[in-house]
Amino acid sequence: DTGVSQDPRHKITKRGQNVTFRCDPISEHNRLYWYRQTLGQGPEFLTYFQNEAQLEKSRLLSDRFSAERPKGSFSTLEIQRTEQGDSAMYLCASTREDQPQHFGDGTRLSIL
Amino acid sequence: DAKTTQPPSMDCAEGRAANLPCNHSTISGNEYVYWYRQIHSQGPQYIIHGLKNNETNEMASLIITEDRKSSTLILPHATLRDTAVYYCIVRAYYSGNTPLVFGKGTRLSVIA
Repeated sequence: DTGVSQDPRHKITKRGQNVTFRCDPISEHNRLYWYRQTLGQGPEFLTYFQNEAQLEKSRLLSDRFSAERPKGSFSTLEIQRTEQGDSAMYLCASTREDQPQHFGDGTRLSIL
Repeated sequence: DAKTTQPPSMDCAEGRAANLPCNHSTISGNEYVYWYRQIHSQGPQYIIHGLKNNETNEMASLIITEDRKSSTLILPHATLRDTAVYYCIVRAYYSGNTPLVFGKGTRLSVIA
């Protein structure tokens, strides 16, 4: 069990640029989640995959956000035309069946 | 999922037991109590969960009142490394594929 891995750990970009984050779940975990966390708040759900199918999206996931999980393994989260309000920690979690979700250490995004 | 209420912050002396309370007065019969913690700059870490019986693992103990309207997470011998935000979450066990709903949690400071 190598844990959930996220890359990069930190990303600084200028407003208007596109960014992409990657999440590698624990092997054999068929469920993968993306959350966003702003300063002083708990994580908020963005979207969820079961294998390669994206089954649920939060209203927080605007049309500038897109997530994929090709082949049901790693996942990517892309933000297009970044805005100041996108500055946050983006967390990925994985699980299987009814086991607790295991989180990665997140990607911290800063928009200049 | 039922709503939870936690104190915003608590202090605990190193080596003493840390008792973190959580109120969940609207919990329903099929809902479990989950605890996660988040150490600074890391993702949330699963600690323990329970339905109605007290539970203990290598990290902590969970005490749930008989009416299930409140619970207490106990760290028996707190260390400086236990300084973190602790989240109490109530959710139905069968909803293992649904996202976690985090509140603001309790910020525990362990003091030397």
